[in-house]
Amino acid sequence: ETGVTQSPTHLIKTRGQQVTLRCSSQSGHNTVSWYQQALGQGPQFIFQYYREEENGRGNFPPRFSGLQFPNYSSELNVNALELDDSALYLCASSLGWTSSEQFFGPGTRLTVL
Amino acid sequence: TQLLEQSPQFLSIQEGENLTVYCNSSSVFSSLQWYRQEPGEGPVLLVTVVTGGEVKKLKRLTFQFGDARKDSSLHITAAQPGDTGLYLCAGVGYGQNFVFGPGTRLSVLP
Repeated sequence: ETGVTQSPTHLIKTRGQQVTLRCSSQSGHNTVSWYQQALGQGPQFIFQYYREEENGRGNFPPRFSGLQFPNYSSELNVNALELDDSALYLCASSLGWTSSEQFFGPGTRLTVL
Repeated sequence: TQLLEQSPQFLSIQEGENLTVYCNSSSVFSSLQWYRQEPGEGPVLLVTVVTGGEVKKLKRLTFQFGDARKDSSLHITAAQPGDTGLYLCAGVGYGQNFVFGPGTRLSVLP
């Protein structure tokens, strides 16, 4: 059974640029959630995708967008990067949006200069 | 807005000591989870508590869910260096939304 994987591991961008982060969910899982974890804080919920549809969104602006593909892998896109977007971005997969058991990937560390 | 607070924020103890960390909220959750996160990795689920007053044990770790389902505690007996990490609690809302606390960073010194 393959766990949740994310790419890239680290990324450095400059203010105003756009970035795409990728996540492959655990085998058999159809739900992916994305979180932002700033330094010294807990993860903050960005949004969740269930069977290719957005199924809930946290308090993040529209420049944070996502996609889920038929194989249930997912992308997080952030436009017009700001310095405060520097954080660890985590994705978590689960079997169904009603499941409380989610498995996290190792994260992508994004630095915005 | 549902918020979770955790205390203490930082804890440094010697191997063999006992410790308790707390997770508190003014909101009621359908369940509460505890995770441990190590540097460079994502959080790993330790336990889910569902029923008010529930106590669960995982080897040297004891988790308790408050009667009103607004708070929880994690007690570690005879801490070991391998217990070092960031301990996160997460409240699961009735819409299956997850709210994480800021975490307790534990350091167990040999």
